[in-house]
Amino acid sequence: GQQLNQSPQSMFIQEGEDVSMNCTSSSIFNTWLWYKQDPGEGPVLLIALYKAGELTSNGRLTAQFGITRKDSFLNISASIPSDVGIYFCAGRHYGGATNKLIFGTGTLLAVQP
Amino acid sequence: DTGVSQDPRHKITKRGQNVTFRCDPISEHNRLYWYRQTLGQGPEFLTYFQNEAQLEKSRLLSDRFSAERPKGSFSTLEIQRTEQGDSAMYLCASSLGTGTSNQPQHFGDGTRLSIL
Repeated sequence: GQQLNQSPQSMFIQEGEDVSMNCTSSSIFNTWLWYKQDPGEGPVLLIALYKAGELTSNGRLTAQFGITRKDSFLNISASIPSDVGIYFCAGRHYGGATNKLIFGTGTLLAVQP
Repeated sequence: DTGVSQDPRHKITKRGQNVTFRCDPISEHNRLYWYRQTLGQGPEFLTYFQNEAQLEKSRLLSDRFSAERPKGSFSTLEIQRTEQGDSAMYLCASSLGTGTSNQPQHFGDGTRLSIL
C-alpha cells in the first residue's frame, strides 16, 4: 500500500536536544496528522493540521502544514527520555469522500539521558 | 471518556483457522476504521464505516477478510483461512465527522495476530 516518505528513519540524540522530522507526499493532502507510537500500543495523536501554512504547537511539539499541501514537519524542543518512540505522519487526501489516512514510514527517536 | 477498545490484545492461531477481532469505538464517534500494521511499517488502511455502512474497502482486504458494524457501534473484523502473511497488528480507530468534515482519528492499542 501507499506510504509517505518520512525522514529521518531514526534519530539518536542526547536529552535536551531539539529534534526535527519531516514528511513528504507526491499528492495533495487536506489534513496532516502526527502520531507517536510506543511498543505494543496504538498510535497516539499529537497534533492535527487543517490548513496550508498552519503552524500548531502542543507543549514542546510544533508542527507545520506545508504551503504546497504536500509536506509537513514536526519539531520537538528540549527532548526528554519519555519522548522515545516511533513518530508517524499521516495525511488525508484533498476532496472526495475518502476518510482514510495514509501513513509515513515512521521516525524512530531514541533519547539518551 | 474511554478510548477505543480492542479485544483480544493478542491472538495466536494455526494457519488455516478463522479469527475474529472486536473494536469498541469512542462512544460518540460515528466513523470507524480498521488498519493493519506490520513490523517496521506505518499502519495501512483496510476499511471504513460510517455508522453501520461500510463505505470504503482497501485492495488489501482480500475476500478472506470481512468486517461488520451491525448497529453502528462496535465492529468485528474476521479473517478466514488465515495465512502466514496475515501476521500483523490490527488497529481500530474512530472519529466524529459529517460529509467531508472529519475530526482526527483516535486509535486503539490493537490486536496482535501471530500465525503459526
